[in-house]
Amino acid sequence: DSGVTQTPKHLITATGQRVTLRCSPRSGDLSVYWYQQSLDQGLQFLIQYYNGEERAKGNILERFSAQQFPDLHSELNLSSLELGDSALYFCASSIIATGELFFGEGSRLTVL
Amino acid sequence: GENVEQHPSTLSVQEGDSAVIKCTYSDSASNYFPWYKQELGKGPQLIIDIRSNVGEKKDQRIAVTLNKTAKHFSLHITETQPEDSAVYFCAASGTNFGNEKLTFGTGTRLTIIP
Repeated sequence: DSGVTQTPKHLITATGQRVTLRCSPRSGDLSVYWYQQSLDQGLQFLIQYYNGEERAKGNILERFSAQQFPDLHSELNLSSLELGDSALYFCASSIIATGELFFGEGSRLTVL
Repeated sequence: GENVEQHPSTLSVQEGDSAVIKCTYSDSASNYFPWYKQELGKGPQLIIDIRSNVGEKKDQRIAVTLNKTAKHFSLHITETQPEDSAVYFCAASGTNFGNEKLTFGTGTRLTIIP
């Protein structure tokens, strides 16, 4: 158990819909990262927050947004969903901006 | 930006044999190279990492080697066991840039045959 909690574990929705994925980082970790893992693909970095502030953006679509709340949990919002958004979405946390990443078990999104 | 290539994409070895996974990177400024293991239904977990000031690092049955001149690094698993079956990801970044610059390879699915 990495200490990072993600909900929901599985989500099935239709094209055009909006979903919210939630992540609770390890206790004490200030940095939260979101990654997308599509079939046979590596981990694509989406966005990073550090202590409530957006720190870095990767290949995140404009239809996607995220935030980190004062209690340090984070949410990833995916809107106007397309079939190609079907993937595993991982949240990871770390104490500081470098060093070991601790991953949650992921949220599997299926868009029909 | 950084580009990390990983080979092979799948690898099957007999239990007790060794497994080797290789990665190449493009950015000569990269100096941090971690390896993550992802078991079925779980998130990736760091198993070993190496920084550019060393050429090899070992932790029990796992070792990583780094050739900065050739820009490639490898994961070696000796005396493989069934619990080594998983997907392994290599990654590279410049540590000064932080984790947001960590670029992952596409993964190697390792299967240990009993």
